[in-house]
Amino acid sequence: DAKTTQPNSMESNEEEPVHLPCNHSTISGTDYIHWYRQLPSQGPEYVIHGLTSNVNNRMASLAIAEDRKSSTLILHRATLRDAAVYYCIHAGGTSYGKLTFGQGTILTVHP
Amino acid sequence: DAGVIQSPRHEVTEMGQEVTLRCKPISGHDYLFWYRQTMMRGLELLIYFNNNVPIDDSGMPEDRFSAKMPNASFSTLKIQPSEPRDSAVYFCASSSRKTGSTDTQYFGPGTRLTVL
Repeated sequence: DAKTTQPNSMESNEEEPVHLPCNHSTISGTDYIHWYRQLPSQGPEYVIHGLTSNVNNRMASLAIAEDRKSSTLILHRATLRDAAVYYCIHAGGTSYGKLTFGQGTILTVHP
Repeated sequence: DAGVIQSPRHEVTEMGQEVTLRCKPISGHDYLFWYRQTMMRGLELLIYFNNNVPIDDSGMPEDRFSAKMPNASFSTLKIQPSEPRDSAVYFCASSSRKTGSTDTQYFGPGTRLTVL
């Protein structure tokens, strides 16, 4: 199984940046790093993904370590709507489709 | 697009009854996934299809569970007979593997199943 390690929980204040770390020391050379989040009572939703270079989209930024054994999801200005469970997953290559979700990080955003 | 559609959203049944969960993937997507989420085990992949063909069913817990995809726009997950330990939220997701794409999956709202 593709395993990642994330803190169980993190807290932030509204309008402040949030850095969510993830360790994925067993990542293979062809695996992408994916981040999904799950808001309360909803299905998971895609946030961002990357392979080697840092990535930005309208939701977040993804910073990938040079050795690819860790990454950080960055929410530039947290809002109350960002309170969710954030999952870091590495997958792809020959195992397309098999996303293994860990326990994720519960992000609490304080007003 | 309406996104992935699941029905029913909530299902309450008694032990021993047959339960059928339904999913309509996003139009044009060629992969469909069934997940189960519980507090104890988190989010688990049960089975997934590519072009309506089951590719990997290693996550299906036991023979009481079966899944079908008769066409590109419809899939079912059936539990027969149901047991209280099957109580969970079941998610369906779909994706499209275009050239250069990765595992971006789009999830439905889920079906909350309660087996009494």
